Amino acid sequence: AQTVTQSQPEMSVQEAETVTLSCTYDTSESNYYLFWYKQPPSRQMILVIRQEAYKQQNATENRFSVNFQKAAKSFSLKISDSQLGDTAMYFCAFMKHEFSGGSNYKLTFGKGTLLTVNP
Amino acid sequence: DSGVTQTPKHLITATGQRVTLRCSPRSGDLSVYWYQQSLDQGLQFLIQYYNGEERAKGNILERFSAQQFPDLHSELNLSSLELGDSALYFCASSPAGGGSYEQYFGPGTRLTVT
Repeated sequence: AQTVTQSQPEMSVQEAETVTLSCTYDTSESNYYLFWYKQPPSRQMILVIRQEAYKQQNATENRFSVNFQKAAKSFSLKISDSQLGDTAMYFCAFMKHEFSGGSNYKLTFGKGTLLTVNP
Repeated sequence: DSGVTQTPKHLITATGQRVTLRCSPRSGDLSVYWYQQSLDQGLQFLIQYYNGEERAKGNILERFSAQQFPDLHSELNLSSLELGDSALYFCASSPAGGGSYEQYFGPGTRLTVT
């Protein structure tokens, strides 16, 4: 079974600064996906960024980038130029790759990190 | 807007009652996933359907059941409700049954059991 751990329950950052959210995971799978989801006060789950484990290059999406360390099973999210609209709960999530076989492609989530961006 | 719709948005009911939550996936998506988000358990996978058939089960109680209909919408039935069932229930959809696609989440149904 997979586990996802987010060790920072809460973080805060000043507007325009950079913040890094941590995530570690444990799995015996060799092929998998990792995701960061954002949940603002509206409660909508929004996909922020996705990383495929077999790709060495770290994924980036505008101000969001990841630092994926496969050997260390670490997957951190860096938010640059933080904006007030980035205030949200952030969830790290794991999904096995279809090459792993089987049928269960559920997302396994961490407990989340509440990020507050201060003006 | 993810394209996934869920009804109702809010539901308040009493212990012992039964409710049905409805989900319509994005156009063309064959897989539907149900998740429960509660304060004590966090976000947990409940069950997945693919093209009308149950594909995988997670931490779903026996009092809960789900189905996916020929038009691909899905319903989650919760019976003999307890206070601890109060949670936000999400439906997500993806094009296929495998793990190569992101799951797109609906806005959720907030269930309050009193």
